[in-house]
Amino acid sequence: QVQLVQSGAEVKKPGASVKVSCKASGYTFTGYYIHWVRQAPGQGLEWMGWINPNSGGTNYAQKFQDRVTMTRDTSITTAYMELSRVKSDDTAVYYCARGPVRIGSWFDPWGQGTLVTVSS
Amino acid sequence: SYVLTQPPSVSVAPGQTARITCGGNNIGSKTVHWYQQKPGQAPVLVVYNDSDRPSGIPERLSGSNSGNTATLTISRVEAGDEADYYCQVWDSISDHRVFGTGTKVTVL
Repeated sequence: QVQLVQSGAEVKKPGASVKVSCKASGYTFTGYYIHWVRQAPGQGLEWMGWINPNSGGTNYAQKFQDRVTMTRDTSITTAYMELSRVKSDDTAVYYCARGPVRIGSWFDPWGQGTLVTVSS
Repeated sequence: SYVLTQPPSVSVAPGQTARITCGGNNIGSKTVHWYQQKPGQAPVLVVYNDSDRPSGIPERLSGSNSGNTATLTISRVEAGDEADYYCQVWDSISDHRVFGTGTKVTVL
């Protein structure tokens, strides 16, 4: 079955970088976008951007443009999201989600989420 | 940027119908997707392309979209429907995805 499995929880100090992985299985990795979405404690969902695993092309939300980098390794069907210069309000659960390669597409399925805690 | 507004909460008795709205400027011209998120779990797609249901999602959940409002309707509400629900669209101007503010559905 289609599955996205994310890396484990992280604790980072302010100013550091964090890199979260998302291992895909059960489908053709290069045939779908991987999106990243985060959710701060008690808050709603916030879209961060996508990567096209086939081309490596990316599209980042303006809010994260200068701090986020999304990459992929097709040999191990894994996508990565790296957030630099983290601050306390980056504390959140970070999700990856698969999305069809088409305008206006949805997210399905989602990874289990990775809790990133930023604390001094 | 494009804004989607949802009511913070909706309360409904078991067996009744819950309607969750998602307001946005001319949202009827966009394609809307809906997600259900239970506490401590990842979101799950429940409606896509305004009114289509993924396999495994009961027919009790249905979607519609017109004018400035999209609606997720849950008929014959059950205790297991208690969750947060989010609408989502693609903003063609920014080429970004946008989520609604989320609605907590409480089953009385």
